[in-house]
Amino acid sequence: GENVEQHPSTLSVQEGDSAVIKCTYSDSASNYFPWYKQELGKRPQLIIDIRSNVGEKKDQRIAVTLNKTAKHFSLHITETQPEDSAVYFCAARAFFMYSGGGADGLTFGKGTHLIIQP
Amino acid sequence: EPEVTQTPSHQVTQMGQEVILRCVPISNHLYFYWYRQILGQKVEFLVSFYNNEISEKSEIFDDQFSVERPDGSNFTLKIRSTKLEDSAMYFCASRAGSSYNSPLHFGNGTRLTVT
Repeated sequence: GENVEQHPSTLSVQEGDSAVIKCTYSDSASNYFPWYKQELGKRPQLIIDIRSNVGEKKDQRIAVTLNKTAKHFSLHITETQPEDSAVYFCAARAFFMYSGGGADGLTFGKGTHLIIQP
Repeated sequence: EPEVTQTPSHQVTQMGQEVILRCVPISNHLYFYWYRQILGQKVEFLVSFYNNEISEKSEIFDDQFSVERPDGSNFTLKIRSTKLEDSAMYFCASRAGSSYNSPLHFGNGTRLTVT
């Protein structure tokens, strides 16, 4: 099965600086890579995702890059703000259209606790 | 914006007891999931459900677990005989379809405490 490794486990940056979180995956069949933000005691919320047919995707201050050859993908947050403080999880899975249309579960990384220092 | 809703928000039970965690997925969604998160750890996939049957289950989802969609709106996770190590936050999630353009939506979770 898929195995997702995520680093670092904790990241502290000054407000306004950039933050980068990195993940590697093991299953070369994985083709979908979402990132979730989880605030304390709340649900994981999707912030950005990337498919394997593109190498980079950007949404305002957030970007994700994917290197399929090396099997790693990264989350980049620029101009960090206090409200960016949270735990961020990367995930991976292979999307296939089975005969029944079933969809497999995501494999998550262990999470990165991002701390934005004022 | 429609949300996945879960009840109860917190469930305390004694070891060996049965618990049922309830979820109402987003109404037009077709794929349903249960994930769990032990305190301070990563989110782990338990089971996916489509067309009234299990699509996939993880190694965690052993014989003590079962899922059911008893009617057109609810999706339940039953743990038959709870163990201390079942203590975790359980998240229900749903997706509209199986394509790339159907993101996964999580509920707020049920915190299960087994004493």
